[in-house]
Amino acid sequence: GQQVMQIPQYQHVQEGEDFTTYCNSSTTLSNIQWYKQRPGGHPVFLIQLVKSGEVKKQKRLTFQFGEAKKNSSLHITATQTTDVGTYFCAGLANDYKLSFGAGTTVTVRA
Amino acid sequence: DTGVSQDPRHKITKRGQNVTFRCDPISEHNRLYWYRQTLGQGPEFLTYFQNEAQLEKSRLLSDRFSAERPKGSFSTLEIQRTEQGDSAMYLCASRGDSNQPQHFGDGTRLSIL
Repeated sequence: GQQVMQIPQYQHVQEGEDFTTYCNSSTTLSNIQWYKQRPGGHPVFLIQLVKSGEVKKQKRLTFQFGEAKKNSSLHITATQTTDVGTYFCAGLANDYKLSFGAGTTVTVRA
Repeated sequence: DTGVSQDPRHKITKRGQNVTFRCDPISEHNRLYWYRQTLGQGPEFLTYFQNEAQLEKSRLLSDRFSAERPKGSFSTLEIQRTEQGDSAMYLCASRGDSNQPQHFGDGTRLSIL
């Protein structure tokens, strides 16, 4: 079955620094979605990428979908304490079923 | 739009008991999902409804698990004869048509004593 892998599992970042988290699927995806889950909270939708090579930005967050539609990345610039949480990518291979990665848990030191 | 609502937020029960969780999706969403999430992992797909029809059920769902969505609105997830390994957060999500994102509820945290 489809597997989605994320690295790194943990990212400890100095406030103000940049970092990137990566997502790889074992199968070609129709789209990829990114969610953020704060401690004690539920996953909150951030963005969806559909087209091969697509790049989308949300303020300090840049999301990219690979040319082969099997990988994706999230890059955060100038990390802030509000960026703390776990970032999940989720791949959609058919019409409805999302497969989530294990997430990258981000902590920030001031 | 009041969001996806799940009840209860927390459930503590003894091993062997039956539990039932409820999910009320966003009103105009016809697609509903149940996931299970354990510590340090992403949500794992359990089952999917389109309107009242259950279209897929994960191999993770043993015969002790059953889900219904009788009128295509709210859904229930029942676990019979609970086991220690059932302890997890059970998340419900809903969405509208294809290519729309899923919206998650706050989840029900189940603890088995």
